[in-house]
Amino acid sequence: EPEVTQTPSHQVTQMGQEVILRCVPISNHLYFYWYRQILGQKVEFLVSFYNNEISEKSEIFDDQFSVERPDGSNFTLKIRSTKLEDSAMYFCASSRPTSGSSYEQYFGPGTRLTVT
Amino acid sequence: SQKIEQNSEALNIQEGKTATLTCNYTNYSPAYLQWYRQDPGRGPVFLLLIRENEKEKRKERLKVTFDTTLKQSLFHITASQPADSATYLCAIPGGEYGNKLVFGAGTILRVKS
Repeated sequence: EPEVTQTPSHQVTQMGQEVILRCVPISNHLYFYWYRQILGQKVEFLVSFYNNEISEKSEIFDDQFSVERPDGSNFTLKIRSTKLEDSAMYFCASSRPTSGSSYEQYFGPGTRLTVT
Repeated sequence: SQKIEQNSEALNIQEGKTATLTCNYTNYSPAYLQWYRQDPGRGPVFLLLIRENEKEKRKERLKVTFDTTLKQSLFHITASQPADSATYLCAIPGGEYGNKLVFGAGTILRVKS
């Protein structure tokens, strides 16, 4: 069964450094998302991406964040200058296969980002 | 903005019993509501989606109800097993286009043998 994959599983970085989190969504899906979950808190929406552009973003997704689909398979989240409060689990998700109108989202296993 | 409330207390039940989890939302009724399972350190896994015009949806041992009058969804696991122990998340569409999901905090279910 197709699944969303993410790399790395764990990333440790120093405050102020840039990080890139990588995702490979399910191949026939049209919508891609990034969510984050701070330890012990809710899963929070960051950004959605459709047709090679951002379709929606949250207040969390400020100028320090960017997303890109550099080729036909990868979807990346970049944090330009990490802060301590960026430490969280980051989940990539995809949805809406090209055939059908299902709305469920399929999540990857996550990347644990630790900012020191 | 839309808010979701799930019982923050963990639900402890005996194996074989039916677990019932509650999700309440404020404001407008969403076009659909979804339930996900999350294990520690893992991503949410989709379980069921129920639309606003559906009263009930079933999948194997899982049943979801949707009451737009009460602004509530109930999630049932019948014949529960220790392997069902996890956090269960309720989610509804949000934002301008309804593509993003707004999640509740989740309810921890512990099934004891």
